[in-house]
Amino acid sequence: DAKTTQPPSMDCAEGRAANLPCNHSTISGNEYVYWYRQIHSQGPQYIIHGLKNNETNEMASLIITEDRKSSTLILPHATLRDTAVYYCIVRVYSGAGSYQLTFGKGTKLSVIP
Amino acid sequence: DTEVTQTPKHLVMGMTNKKSLKCEQHMGHRAMYWYKQKAKKPPELMFVYSYEKLSINESVPSRFSPECPNSSLLNLHLHALQPEDSALYLCASSQDHAGNQPQHFGDGTRLSIL
Repeated sequence: DAKTTQPPSMDCAEGRAANLPCNHSTISGNEYVYWYRQIHSQGPQYIIHGLKNNETNEMASLIITEDRKSSTLILPHATLRDTAVYYCIVRVYSGAGSYQLTFGKGTKLSVIP
Repeated sequence: DTEVTQTPKHLVMGMTNKKSLKCEQHMGHRAMYWYKQKAKKPPELMFVYSYEKLSINESVPSRFSPECPNSSLLNLHLHALQPEDSALYLCASSQDHAGNQPQHFGDGTRLSIL
């Protein structure tokens, strides 16, 4: 089962920042948080990941709380092309030195003109 | 554009047919994955290959048979599928299966079973 909880849907005005929350209260100390998005009819696209510190790349910023029980993905200036399902995933250890991603239901972000 | 290429993009087959899905990556990744995604549901992991060896099989029925001929290629052989197997089949790859490098996905093969 997924270890994350996300709101099922959110709206964001075009040009504004989109802040997508995620709860992962049972996360373990060495488990990373990953964010992917899936635009209709495409495969999931990697956005960003982090362990403890905040992270930023050309697509987004990831803010992880100090207790690591929740995080927020920030798209600084949302465009219509950012309309997608956003998945927050805690990568868990599955044994024998292997890790796997378990996708939850995600948040459907709609960017509105 | 994705760096993981899946063919075909669409496939329609009968329940008695045998077909194969193909996945290719040239990023030097040593871990490759098959996922299944039903409509309006999240992707679900099916198989993991690490260094060309099957390392995880998520209790997938034997009518799905994966194969990893080399480090760049991953196949999924299909035989005697059921209508409920209709779904989007996604391939992904990552640098390895133990590190924290992200998985990169293809755009999938949309499979319809008649």
